[in-house]
Amino acid sequence: ETGVTQTPRHLVMGMTNKKSLKCEQHLGHNAMYWYKQSAKKPLELMFVYNFKEQTENNSVPSRFSPECPNSSHLFLHLHTLQPEDSALYLCASSQAPGRGHSTDTQYFGPGTRLTVL
Amino acid sequence: GDSVTQMEGPVTLSEEAFLTINCTYTATGYPSLFWYVQYPGEGLQLLLKATKADDKGSNKGFEATYRKETTSFHLEKGSVQVSDSAVYFCALSAYSGAGSYQLTFGKGTKLSVIP
Repeated sequence: ETGVTQTPRHLVMGMTNKKSLKCEQHLGHNAMYWYKQSAKKPLELMFVYNFKEQTENNSVPSRFSPECPNSSHLFLHLHTLQPEDSALYLCASSQAPGRGHSTDTQYFGPGTRLTVL
Repeated sequence: GDSVTQMEGPVTLSEEAFLTINCTYTATGYPSLFWYVQYPGEGLQLLLKATKADDKGSNKGFEATYRKETTSFHLEKGSVQVSDSAVYFCALSAYSGAGSYQLTFGKGTKLSVIP
């Protein structure tokens, strides 16, 4: 399989549930990102991992917890979400700077459509 | 901070019409510029990019030229098809200083092409 994959594609959860979103990239990249896409709002960068280290956390509530066990996998653990957290969650990857490749192009997965009831 | 402004939609065109979606940016330094496209129910796909002034990105009949003097990166296509109906996002990429690049997106422009 090529590119960036995300599972599940759709998720419905209650406010007391715990669930996880999974992202996997098959591009040999070493930087991974989580974005939130809500209706009528610009894409919001949530987290950035570079060589498995979290380098950015854009004031995201603690009910969202990222995990990056290796350069190919990224998870977003969800706990006690609110209805306003319903959105499309997008994962992306890129080649981190310093390797002599095109470093600033991000490639996106298809997203997980999350509905919080 | 960096920002991207693109024309508000939605834009509705007839098949074979000419398309322009305006995009302007503000940024420090010399960012790379991108157009991404999002088809219904899908994630973002890279459509084209340009990394320096006067570069022209092109793909699938779409073109955009990096204009530093006007800080613009307008998307054009000479003859749109129904299959081009999607949301188009303009974005810039700048080094975050923390070992990665960060994308700043415009709000997106929804294009509908009617037969």
